[in-house]
Amino acid sequence: DIVMTQSPDSLAVSLGERATINCKSSQSILYSSNNKNYLAWYQQKPGQPPKLLIYWASTRESGVPDRVSGSGSGTDFTLTISSLQAEDAAVYYCQQYYTTPRTFGQGTKLEIK
Amino acid sequence: EVQLVQSGAEVKKPGESLKISCQGSGYSFTTYWIGWVRQMPGKGLEWMGSIYPGDSRIRYGPSLQGQVTISGDKSINTAYLQWSSLKASDSAMYYCARQGETSDAFNIWGQGTMVTVSS
Repeated sequence: DIVMTQSPDSLAVSLGERATINCKSSQSILYSSNNKNYLAWYQQKPGQPPKLLIYWASTRESGVPDRVSGSGSGTDFTLTISSLQAEDAAVYYCQQYYTTPRTFGQGTKLEIK
Repeated sequence: EVQLVQSGAEVKKPGESLKISCQGSGYSFTTYWIGWVRQMPGKGLEWMGSIYPGDSRIRYGPSLQGQVTISGDKSINTAYLQWSSLKASDSAMYYCARQGETSDAFNIWGQGTMVTVSS
């Protein structure tokens, strides 16, 4: 199985500042034939299902603001949320869909200072 | 509107059976994989398995294979997750989620079904 490890487990960032969450896969999730990274990012708020933010490591889902961005390739990935707003407080998960079993990172709790 | 609607919360006793459902609407149900994701209280997300309703192909997560059964009925656009003998450790929120049009990420999620198993 591909193990997804996020860091940090939690972070507190001030309004208007930038939050950075890292995700590392235990093996490459870059498919060489199409040069795509099979990595997604989700946001989950209390009492709600997860919401897809980013897929293919850097493609924003429709409706996601452009202050949310994803980067990285191979085994190392980053979710960046700039100009942090109160509504960004949530738990964020990365997930690989390169192979089954699909696996998620353990989650990173983002709090607003 | 594309949506997945799940069945309501359940309270069961250990050893009882249970089948929860996930009904899709607003899209061609048979052409997208649907996955089941478990979230134990206060914990993260765990993929349990997925079904392709068009031909009922199923993939299970290794830790849950044999513990649950995934099935579907494309005539009523519904996927199912069932247990034959529940345990207290099955208490969790269960989400169904559909894979996207341009990637296999889950872009549509059901509202979740809370399952509580307690004597």
